[in-house]
Amino acid sequence: QKEVEQDPGPLSVPEGAIVSLNCTYSNSAFQYFMWYRQYSRKGPELLMYTYSSGNKEDGRFTAQVDKSSKYISLFIRDSQPSDSATYLCAMRRSGATNKLIFGTGTLLAVQP
Amino acid sequence: EAGVTQFPSHSVIEKGQTVTLRCDPISGHDNLYWYRRVMGKEIKFLLHFVKESKQDESGMPNNRFLAERTGGTYSTLKVQPAELEDSGVYFCASSQDPGSVETQYFGPGTRLLVL
Repeated sequence: QKEVEQDPGPLSVPEGAIVSLNCTYSNSAFQYFMWYRQYSRKGPELLMYTYSSGNKEDGRFTAQVDKSSKYISLFIRDSQPSDSATYLCAMRRSGATNKLIFGTGTLLAVQP
Repeated sequence: EAGVTQFPSHSVIEKGQTVTLRCDPISGHDNLYWYRRVMGKEIKFLLHFVKESKQDESGMPNNRFLAERTGGTYSTLKVQPAELEDSGVYFCASSQDPGSVETQYFGPGTRLLVL
């Protein structure tokens, strides 16, 4: 069983829609949760960073973490064609290791 | 400020050959990571350097892979001899502070194809 599960999509939405992306995980030791955005032929770029449970908002993006359900979400409001990319969730434990555990990524296409 | 750079961007080699990938982290970043994504799978951790020391190499698949970071600046990842299953995209990332809010900045990756 993978430590992090993420629906690979693809997910296609019209411009202006609200997008919901999700990951589930099995390791209760994860404390730090991240969302990366990756454009084609580029490296992953950090979008949102959340510690433990709760919500974090940054412009059109909101990240939610529910540790009791081992479930994290990324919401994109007023989606734009420029948001079309692969979205990767990543997480790590606190302590000695900083290695990130990634989901497989969800491919998002926002249609103009 | 320049980001993480990787060279080459693409490499096509035959099974049994040797390939060396290079990563230049962001200047001043002591932490350097190697990750790999094989086709259809998630990005997986390979190893973590702090300066020139290997902090965590638990993700290295086998002894055909050798990573070095002489002088604590750039890093190389050598695959010798390469096998078909080594094909994938190799990412390097660097960070300044390994504390609780560490941000790892990724390079564009090296696409390796072993034929």
